[in-house]
Amino acid sequence: AQSVTQLGSHVSVSEGALVLLRCNYSSSVPPYLFWYVQYPNQGLQLLLKYTTGATLVKGINGFEAEFKKSETSFHLTKPSAHMSDAAEYFCAVSDKTNAGKSTFGDGTTLTVKP
Amino acid sequence: GAGVSQSPRYKVAKRGQDVALRCDPISGHVSLFWYQQALGQGPEFLTYFQNEAQLDKSGLPSDRFFAERPEGSVSTLKIQRTQQEDSAVYLCASSLAPLHTEAFFGQGTRLTVV
Repeated sequence: AQSVTQLGSHVSVSEGALVLLRCNYSSSVPPYLFWYVQYPNQGLQLLLKYTTGATLVKGINGFEAEFKKSETSFHLTKPSAHMSDAAEYFCAVSDKTNAGKSTFGDGTTLTVKP
Repeated sequence: GAGVSQSPRYKVAKRGQDVALRCDPISGHVSLFWYQQALGQGPEFLTYFQNEAQLDKSGLPSDRFFAERPEGSVSTLKIQRTQQEDSAVYLCASSLAPLHTEAFFGQGTRLTVV
């Protein structure tokens, strides 16, 4: 069984500040890890993913995440927040048997203050 | 089409009514997934198709939920005798192949049962 815990259901940052969204996972097999963004009344858009190889992965819109096996974490960061980053962010885990069948966290709502 | 298309976008059903939700995946995508997203929560897996074969329906919450993909492209999620707890956004996703790591999500159908 797999699970995801996103620490902090709401995160608020000032424009230009560092964004850090936390994700911890549990998996009995090597995980595939994903971050998605969801804007109001929209579907999910993939920001980035980790499958194998380099543990620091870069995604769209300046986001990146680092897979830390020892900490079972996959935190999402962005050096400088933009107003357009305000949205809900979901961390998800799957594995190589069916990569598209994911277990999601409950999400973190990011607010960006001017 | 260019992306995953779901219809209707919004559906209001009276308790006890049957509903059918449609998903048009990206052309050529073999894998298709249905997820249920309750308010304030992350998506939860319902069922998975590989072409026309429903290989995993472990997430369907009751026998009132039924999904089909008869020709391996368009899929329909049917909910019989809707209950208030069925109110949620139903998301469809497709991916090119079973082991392909990127799934593309539609905008979802928001079902409200009154």
